[in-house]
Amino acid sequence: DTGVSQDPRHKITKRGQNVTFRCDPISEHNRLYWYRQTLGQGPEFLTYFQNEAQLEKSRLLSDRFSAERPKGSFSTLEIQRTEQGDSAMYLCASSKDLGQGGGYTFGSGTRLTVV
Amino acid sequence: AQTVTQSQPEMSVQEAETVTLSCTYDTSESDYYLFWYKQPPSRQMILVIRQEAYKQQNATENRFSVNFQKAAKSFSLKISDSQLGDAAMYFCASDNAGNMLTFGGGTRLMVKP
Repeated sequence: DTGVSQDPRHKITKRGQNVTFRCDPISEHNRLYWYRQTLGQGPEFLTYFQNEAQLEKSRLLSDRFSAERPKGSFSTLEIQRTEQGDSAMYLCASSKDLGQGGGYTFGSGTRLTVV
Repeated sequence: AQTVTQSQPEMSVQEAETVTLSCTYDTSESDYYLFWYKQPPSRQMILVIRQEAYKQQNATENRFSVNFQKAAKSFSLKISDSQLGDAAMYFCASDNAGNMLTFGGGTRLMVKP
């Protein structure tokens, strides 16, 4: 169990460019989540996958954002035409059924800076 | 929709003393889970403790324990024998169906040597 991995750790991009982040969850976790966290705030939910199916999507997720989880393994989060307001830490988490114990395991995040 | 409120933006405690962080939540569900997460500066979110709403017994994990008051929708975290390594942001969070964790705004805990 190597935990939840996110790549890259940091990304600086110019406004208007597209960026893509990757998340590799814990292998036996069937649920995967994306969150966004701005400085000094709690994380905000973006989207949730159970296996390869995207089951929940926040209204925060504009049509510039898209997430995929092909084959129910790793996931990608793409932001098109980035804006300065997209600057934040993007966190990925995974979990198994909470009835089995434990909680959400978070990755170290990808810090996005849009200049 | 769930909401989670942490009314203490910042708390401080003397090393080896005890501190309690407050959290209230609102949910229409009868079955849900509550969590406390710790986020050290520039480091990842770590699960501290979890509580199932159907369990009346308060959860404990070593120096960490909770006071879960279901009727009052209150879920406070007590840290005993505080250590310098406990300094971090602490987030209270709730989940009602395993498809979304809703976080409070966080409490920054400072530990004084």
